[in-house]
Amino acid sequence: AQTVTQSQPEMSVQEAETVTLSCTYDTSENNYYLFWYKQPPSRQMILVIRQEAYKQQNATENRFSVNFQKAAKSFSLKISDSQLGDTAMYFCAFMKHVGGANSKLTFGKGITLSVRP
Amino acid sequence: GAGVSQSPSNKVTEKGKDVELRCDPISGHTALYWYRQRLGQGLEFLIYFQGNSAPDKSGLPSDRFSAERTGESVSTLTIQRTQQEDSAVYLCVIWMAPTDTQYFGPGTRLTVL
Repeated sequence: AQTVTQSQPEMSVQEAETVTLSCTYDTSENNYYLFWYKQPPSRQMILVIRQEAYKQQNATENRFSVNFQKAAKSFSLKISDSQLGDTAMYFCAFMKHVGGANSKLTFGKGITLSVRP
Repeated sequence: GAGVSQSPSNKVTEKGKDVELRCDPISGHTALYWYRQRLGQGLEFLIYFQGNSAPDKSGLPSDRFSAERTGESVSTLTIQRTQQEDSAVYLCVIWMAPTDTQYFGPGTRLTVL
């Protein structure tokens, strides 16, 4: 079974600074997807970034980038130039196959990020 | 997201009552999942439907929980004889394989008194 671990329950960062959220996972699969989701107080889950395991290049989306270390099974999220609107809970997630059998999303427990003005 | 609606948005019930939660996904989705999220916690997998395959029910916490999907559209999650520990937000998620896109429903907040 796949597991996703987010060991930091909460973090705080000053506005405009950079913060890194950690995530590790465990799987015996070679092909899979990794995701970071943002859940603001509105409760609506928002996809921040995703990474295909077969791609060596780290995914980036504007101020968000990942450090994907496949051998170490590590998938950290870096938020640059933090903004007050980044305050939310962030979840790391794993999917074994895209739409295939047994391709459920497995989530970490999440981390609460607070951006201070 | 726009691809999934859920009803009701909030449900308050008394312990021991049965509840039915509904998920209306966009047509053409590849897979449909139910997750439970307790206050301040992560998402706990409950059940997964894909095509005509037998659903993956490995996450259902007890036999009080069941789910169905009508054709490849509406899904209902039923909780019988609700308990206080069932209080949580229940999320429906779909996967659209052609676009590799996931859509999260807004969730149903269930409160068992």
